[in-house]
Amino acid sequence: AQSVTQLDSQVPVFEEAPVELRCNYSSSVSVYLFWYVQYPNQGLQLLLKYLSGSTLVKGINGFEAEFNKSQTSFHLRKPSVHISDTAEYFCAVVEIQGAQKLVFGQGTRLTINP
Amino acid sequence: GAGVSQTPSNKVTEKGKYVELRCDPISGHTALYWYRQSLGQGPEFLIYFQGTGAADDSGLPNDRFFAVRPEGSVSTLKIQRTERGDSAVYLCASSPQGGNQPQHFGDGTRLSIL
Repeated sequence: AQSVTQLDSQVPVFEEAPVELRCNYSSSVSVYLFWYVQYPNQGLQLLLKYLSGSTLVKGINGFEAEFNKSQTSFHLRKPSVHISDTAEYFCAVVEIQGAQKLVFGQGTRLTINP
Repeated sequence: GAGVSQTPSNKVTEKGKYVELRCDPISGHTALYWYRQSLGQGPEFLIYFQGTGAADDSGLPNDRFFAVRPEGSVSTLKIQRTERGDSAVYLCASSPQGGNQPQHFGDGTRLSIL
């Protein structure tokens, strides 16, 4: 079984400041990793994914994440945030072989202050 | 192109009633997933279809929950004898075949049991 822990339930940041949203996972098998964003009253939108290869992956809206296998982490970063980045962010994993279901963390609410 | 469509967007009903939630996946996507998101939580897996068959229904909480996908496209999630604890946002997602292919989410159905 897999589990995902997002270490911060809420992260307040000033506009144009950098941000890091932390994600750690636990799994007995190899997994793919994802970050999704959820705007109010909407479904989830894929930000980026790690399948294999380079451990630094770039996504939409200027976000990037780094996969660290030894620390079982997949932290999300953005060098300069905008008001429009205010949303809920979810880290998720799926088994490479076997169950196809996404296992999500509890989410991090990112609030951008002017 | 059209994304995943879920209807209704909101459903309010009384405890004990029967409800049906509908999901229209992206055309051509053979994999379809249902998740449930409670307030302040990440989505939790319910069931996964590959084509017409339920490949994994391990997330259904009890036998009051049932889902079908008779023609391999539209899916209906059915809840019998609803309870207040069933109140949540029910999310549907689809992907071309599953595995490492990202899941595309609809906007969800917000179910409220009075």
